[in-house]
Amino acid sequence: AQSVTQLGSHVSVSEGALVLLRCNYSSSVPPYLFWYVQYPNQGLQLLLKYTSAATLVKGINGFEAEFKKSETSFHLTKPSAHMSDAAEYFCAVSRYNNNDMRFGAGTRLTVKP
Amino acid sequence: ETGVTQSPTHLIKTRGQQVTLRCSSQSGHNTVSWYQQALGQGPQFIFQYYREEENGRGNFPPRFSGLQFPNYSSELNVNALELDDSALYLCASSLVPLPTDTQYFGPGTRLTVL
Repeated sequence: AQSVTQLGSHVSVSEGALVLLRCNYSSSVPPYLFWYVQYPNQGLQLLLKYTSAATLVKGINGFEAEFKKSETSFHLTKPSAHMSDAAEYFCAVSRYNNNDMRFGAGTRLTVKP
Repeated sequence: ETGVTQSPTHLIKTRGQQVTLRCSSQSGHNTVSWYQQALGQGPQFIFQYYREEENGRGNFPPRFSGLQFPNYSSELNVNALELDDSALYLCASSLVPLPTDTQYFGPGTRLTVL
């Protein structure tokens, strides 16, 4: 079975500061990894995904994530936070032979002016 | 091109009742997945439908059932509602039923069970 753990249910950064949201996965087979963002009263939007190609994945809105097999991690980063980045972020994992995508509990990002 | 839509937006039911939630997939998408998102948690996979057949199911009891129609829209039915069924129900559509294919989520239906 696969699962993800998101470290930190709340992260607060100042506008312009680095954003780092942590995600560690557990999977018995090579995983596919995803980051989604959820704004209030909206569904989830895909930020980026890792599907066994390049380990550094670039997504929308300036976000990127690096797949590190040795650390079983897939942390999400953005060099400079904007007020509009304030939202809930979810890391998710699936695998090649299973449509059961498993989500982490989420990290709420607050951006201070 | 319209995105994924869900109806109704909000719903209040009492314990023991039955509910039907609806989802219209994005144009051209033949795969629909349903998720339950309890307050403060990440979404949990309920099941997926591909070309009108169930194509994978999460750890949910049989009182959670679904349908997919020839136009690829979908319904989620929940019988014998329990208080713990209160959640945001999300539907997501994708072009093909592959784990790597991007899922496009609707805004969800907020179900409250009293």
